[in-house]
Amino acid sequence: ETGVTQTPRHLVMGMTNKKSLKCEQHLGHNAMYWYKQSAKKPLELMFVYNFKEQTENNSVPSRFSPECPNSSHLFLHLHTLQPEDSALYLCASSPLGGAKNTGELFFGEGSRLTVL
Amino acid sequence: DAKTTQPNSMESNEEEPVHLPCNHSTISGTDYIHWYRQLPSQGPEYVIHGLTSNVNNRMASLAIAEDRKSSTLILHRATLRDAAVYYCILRGAFSSNTGKLIFGQGTTLQVKP
Repeated sequence: ETGVTQTPRHLVMGMTNKKSLKCEQHLGHNAMYWYKQSAKKPLELMFVYNFKEQTENNSVPSRFSPECPNSSHLFLHLHTLQPEDSALYLCASSPLGGAKNTGELFFGEGSRLTVL
Repeated sequence: DAKTTQPNSMESNEEEPVHLPCNHSTISGTDYIHWYRQLPSQGPEYVIHGLTSNVNNRMASLAIAEDRKSSTLILHRATLRDAAVYYCILRGAFSSNTGKLIFGQGTTLQVKP
């Protein structure tokens, strides 16, 4: 248990569907992240949010739309995806700032997405 | 962010020490060295980090070369549960980045009974 919860754990969707991935943390962290992990590839950073504001979009296609309504919740809205978008999507959170901040990222267990 | 180089894979026997190397020749003076590992079907988890001095915690030890151009993660007694992908990551000082981590390919550690 890392304190970061992702739902659903598994999702199968067609290319015309609209679905959302949810991430929740109650660790008091003020930074949240989406990463994508495709088979046999390193984790790819997708989006970064600091204090609910998006600070980084790593050239992610617009069919992925993030939303951060508050510091504890992060969503990834999915629409008109392609089969090559099938991957494990990982959410993470971390504290920012402070002398005792190790900068440690806490990851959820991921949402395994299959696009048919 | 400066790059790191790790072997693709390593093998170890159970209950023996494991030394996982990482080269980071372009490290800057303010870069911290972080290690994470990813167990099968899980997200990555923090292992240890350091700046200049060697570090120990309940999971592992981190040995940092004097010139900081390389480091070694040491698992003192490998268990089957230590089989994972281990990532060595450089991270700039907090004032200069958004807190993100950039992952490489990592080292896949196999532990044999």
